[in-house]
Amino acid sequence: DAGVIQSPRHEVTEMGQEVTLRCKPISGHDYLFWYRQTMMRGLELLIYFNNNVPIDDSGMPEDRFSAKMPNASFSTLKIQPSEPRDSAVYFCASSLPGSLGEAFFGQGTRLTVV
Amino acid sequence: AQSVSQHNHHVILSEAASLELGCNYSYGGTVNLFWYVQYPGQHLQLLLKYFSGDPLVKGIKGFEAEFIKSKFSFNLRKPSVQWSDTAEYFCAVIPYSSASKIIFGSGTRLSIRP
Repeated sequence: DAGVIQSPRHEVTEMGQEVTLRCKPISGHDYLFWYRQTMMRGLELLIYFNNNVPIDDSGMPEDRFSAKMPNASFSTLKIQPSEPRDSAVYFCASSLPGSLGEAFFGQGTRLTVV
Repeated sequence: AQSVSQHNHHVILSEAASLELGCNYSYGGTVNLFWYVQYPGQHLQLLLKYFSGDPLVKGIKGFEAEFIKSKFSFNLRKPSVQWSDTAEYFCAVIPYSSASKIIFGSGTRLSIRP
């Protein structure tokens, strides 16, 4: 397996634009996590899914952020409209159920909103 | 509030020094414990994990960690660090009650002087 695949690796966009980040988890992993990493806040859990169903979205900062998982092999994190304070590295991770489940991380998407 | 605490934000050592990074968690009951490493510009990778059994866990690259249940701790150790260990280190916990939600500490930045 190629691991968790995220795209794009880098994204530069203007304030107010819509941004969509994509993630393909490892095949067979039931859980998918979206994290945001910044210098100020460290690694924050935004939302996670189990079997394509959102379980906890309490970390999503505001309504401008939304995440979907239409099937077991694909998830998106959307920011609309984007703001400069959204600039961060966004990581996707997937895992097996908790008793087995170390998280495997993707390479991340570095988002810069200007 | 339930949390994972890493008290050292930045540790600076010389090569060949011994390392111990602290991690404490505040969840009761059974937990799974992890240490992840993030090398500069890269994604998080698993160093080691503890699910059950021997509380002294050995991981990759000469790292080990000891689970002390009575102290709610899972400290990371390495007898002799190398310059290549320069990275950020994250402790993480999955409480059994959390439906596989992975909780990360704030991270400890380790700088090794050559």
